[in-house]
Amino acid sequence: GAVVSQHPSRVICKSGTSVKIECRSLDFQATTMFWYRQFPKKSLMLMATSNEGSKATYEQGVEKDKFLINHASLTLSTLTVTSAHPEDSSFYICSARDVGGRGNQPQHFGDGTRLSIL
Amino acid sequence: GQNIDQPTEMTATEGAIVQINCTYQTSGFNGLFWYQQHAGEAPTFLSYNVLDGLEEKGRFSSFLSRSKGYSYLLLKELQMKDSASYLCAVRNGNYQLIWGAGTKLIIKP
Repeated sequence: GAVVSQHPSRVICKSGTSVKIECRSLDFQATTMFWYRQFPKKSLMLMATSNEGSKATYEQGVEKDKFLINHASLTLSTLTVTSAHPEDSSFYICSARDVGGRGNQPQHFGDGTRLSIL
Repeated sequence: GQNIDQPTEMTATEGAIVQINCTYQTSGFNGLFWYQQHAGEAPTFLSYNVLDGLEEKGRFSSFLSRSKGYSYLLLKELQMKDSASYLCAVRNGNYQLIWGAGTKLIIKP
């Protein structure tokens, strides 16, 4: 089945550091990938939709200069949390859909990145 | 607006059956998904419904009524490992995925 790989799985760093998270579709092409954020015991919150070869579409309230998204190829999207602060600590999850398949293809999720800013 | 409603938390007994309901109001409809999410992990896909009726997959079944904007996930022969959050998500007319807040299912021995 479709697999999405997300790296790193956990990051602990000092305030002010920029952190890059990678999301790869391993056995399918994904023209669109999605970045979510999830606080403890809360539901998924869509941050942005990453489109291959074009600018990402950000949800209302998400700072595009804070959360930089690059989708340079059909299998890779990156999220960079710039100048991270403690309030950015969260669980970040990417997902992708195999657009080459039928319309019932679900979104497949990476394993998530737990970001802790000290 | 668009919204997905599901209960916040449910409790059931090991070996029993539990039904988790989901109601939705979206701009268009292109399918409904159920995901399972264990604490600290990413969601995993369980089921997909786009036509009315019941889809069965092992111990898990999912039902959809488009006219009522309603779905349920049925879990049979509950096991302790089924303790997790269950997320209902609807793909709307723009192929955006609208997420429910999730139902935390607690299984007791």
